[in-house]
Amino acid sequence: QVQLVQSGAEVKKPGSSVKVSCKASGGPLNSYAISWVRQAPGQGLEWMGGIITLFDTSHSAEKFQGRVTFTAEESTGTVWMELTSLTHEDTAFYYCAKGSPDLRFCTSNACYAPFDAWGQGILVTVSS
Amino acid sequence: SSELTQDPAVSVALGQTVRITCQGDSLRSYYASWYQQRPGQAPVLVMSGENTRPPGIPDRFSGSNSGSTASLTITGAQAEDEADYYCNSRDSRGHLWVFGGGTHLTVL
Repeated sequence: QVQLVQSGAEVKKPGSSVKVSCKASGGPLNSYAISWVRQAPGQGLEWMGGIITLFDTSHSAEKFQGRVTFTAEESTGTVWMELTSLTHEDTAFYYCAKGSPDLRFCTSNACYAPFDAWGQGILVTVSS
Repeated sequence: SSELTQDPAVSVALGQTVRITCQGDSLRSYYASWYQQRPGQAPVLVMSGENTRPPGIPDRFSGSNSGSTASLTITGAQAEDEADYYCNSRDSRGHLWVFGGGTHLTVL
């Protein structure tokens, strides 16, 4: 069973960038998709995008295009999400989530969900 | 506004049945998945596909779909079911993924 462990909390200044990590154990990174989902305090869940190393592809929600980058290192099972040009509105918990579809039977963006394993979440605070 | 619409709050008496709904055009073509989130915790998948429960999810949880509406039903709600519930499916273009706004379930 895949488990996801995320890096620690971050405090950033407006205009700066943040890069957070998610380390997967219990299954090779090239056998599933990883998404990033964020949740502002007291608000709902928001899918940001994700990465599928087997297909050498990533996708991002329109809202974050140009501002978010997803990378991965299969040898260590680690995925990173970098968000640039931070504003106070980016203050949120950021979760990584594993897609349940078998990559043998899905294509590209269809592989991201359902999300059957989640990291514990990282609080990113943007404050001047 | 979200492309998937959920009622912000629903309540149910202990032991009774409650249905949580999710509406969106994409649901005519794609299944929804459902996530339970208790305060201070990460979301947990409770339902996906036509009506598939992950291991460990009680059988009082069930799912259904009709037209542009997906539903999560809890038959015999328990106190521990009090949580926020989110649906997730494809966006209106069927390309990427979106969540509904979430429903807070109160068990009375």
